[in-house]
Amino acid sequence: DTGVSQDPRHKITKRGQNVTFRCDPISEHNRLYWYRQTLGQGPEFLTYFQNEAQLEKSRLLSDRFSAERPKGSFSTLEIQRTEQGDSAMYLCASSLGLAGVPEQYFGPGTRLTVT
Amino acid sequence: AQRVTQPEKLLSVFKGAPVELKCNYSYSGSPELFWYVQYSRQRLQLLLRHISRESIKGFTADLNKGETSFHLKKPFAQEEDSAMYYCALSSGSARQLTFGSGTQLTVLP
Repeated sequence: DTGVSQDPRHKITKRGQNVTFRCDPISEHNRLYWYRQTLGQGPEFLTYFQNEAQLEKSRLLSDRFSAERPKGSFSTLEIQRTEQGDSAMYLCASSLGLAGVPEQYFGPGTRLTVT
Repeated sequence: AQRVTQPEKLLSVFKGAPVELKCNYSYSGSPELFWYVQYSRQRLQLLLRHISRESIKGFTADLNKGETSFHLKKPFAQEEDSAMYYCALSSGSARQLTFGSGTQLTVLP
């Protein structure tokens, strides 16, 4: 499968624990996005990387959320001190940064449940 | 700030009937609009984008700037069209997507 992959697919954690999710984009894609989707809603944008640079992070929900893309390839999203309200599907998408608005390809998502 | 509204959470039609999924947006700039679809147990995927003006799987969508709408239409619905449909708008320097809350379409036999 050469599409966007995410790991793990499901994560159950206790409140207060830290969690980290991984996203592997399509190999030649230089743009990478993280979104969060809660029940009954569409995905909500969190942050964006162009290569290894995090160019937009103002939409991260709180300072407990952080993301990295150290070598411009895979990315990680970390949530510290998880809360029950963090329970959601976390989606990653990648695109090839050409002119205009390139198509974003989505991964299958990581479903987080905080108990 | 940009906003995308899909007024119908659920929509059911019979096979062969026309279908229209509504999408309205608010955005101060020139909009780039998309329809994404998510079939059962599959990932979100692009269905069509207004700029390409093409028909995918028989679906079309016309951008109406006067009414700030981008409704998705198909003249004859098929059972395999049953899915969740999201309207989305691209904006910002990151070209991030702002999604509506989605419409679950069910095509009945």
